[in-house]
Amino acid sequence: EAQLVESGGGLVQPGGSLRLSCAASGFSFSSYWMSWVRQSPGKGLEWVANINQEQSERYYVDSVKGRFTISRDNAKNSLYLQMNSLRAEDTAVYYCARGGNSWAFWGQGTLVTVSS
Amino acid sequence: DIVMTQSPDSLAVSLGERATINCKSSQSVLHSSDNKNYLAWYQQKAGQPPKLLIYWASARESGVPDRFSGSGSGTDFTLTISSLQAEDVAVYYCQQYYTIPPYTFGQGTKLEIK
Repeated sequence: EAQLVESGGGLVQPGGSLRLSCAASGFSFSSYWMSWVRQSPGKGLEWVANINQEQSERYYVDSVKGRFTISRDNAKNSLYLQMNSLRAEDTAVYYCARGGNSWAFWGQGTLVTVSS
Repeated sequence: DIVMTQSPDSLAVSLGERATINCKSSQSVLHSSDNKNYLAWYQQKAGQPPKLLIYWASARESGVPDRFSGSGSGTDFTLTISSLQAEDVAVYYCQQYYTIPPYTFGQGTKLEIK
């Protein structure tokens, strides 16, 4: 059975860094685009970034450009999101999702809280 | 960026009745190259990740009950639940994937039982 499990969330001070991970299993990870989508507490959904199979294409929402980096390790079936210069408005549940443009498969999410 | 606007923000419908949610995009999401509308619908229940219901505006994802249907083209779209069940209580989102970056969602419509 296909599964996505996020980890790495937690409490971080403004200006700090955090690295999220997403472990994939049960499907051919290297065959899919992968994405991060976030949801602020009590708010709607926001696509954050995506990456193609070979890491040759990466796209970001404007609000995270220059601060976040999406990457993957196909040998480890893992997706990552390096988040630097974190701001209070980055507080959200971060979901790992399979696919590049619409997402039929999601992880359960990991909560990132940016607060002093 | 393409702005997605849903209406209404919340909706209360009796069990067994029809529920209709609308989504309007600020520009057309119909691709002339393949004549497809790059529009998806998701259902999110409390404490859960979103679930894909509909893609290409009207194609039902595998396993989704046939009481869910999507329609529309260009800039105006509708998600219809033909006969509301208790388990359909959720927030529903539309999402465009016509342009990248960014992909954008509607603000969500909260569906409750009347």
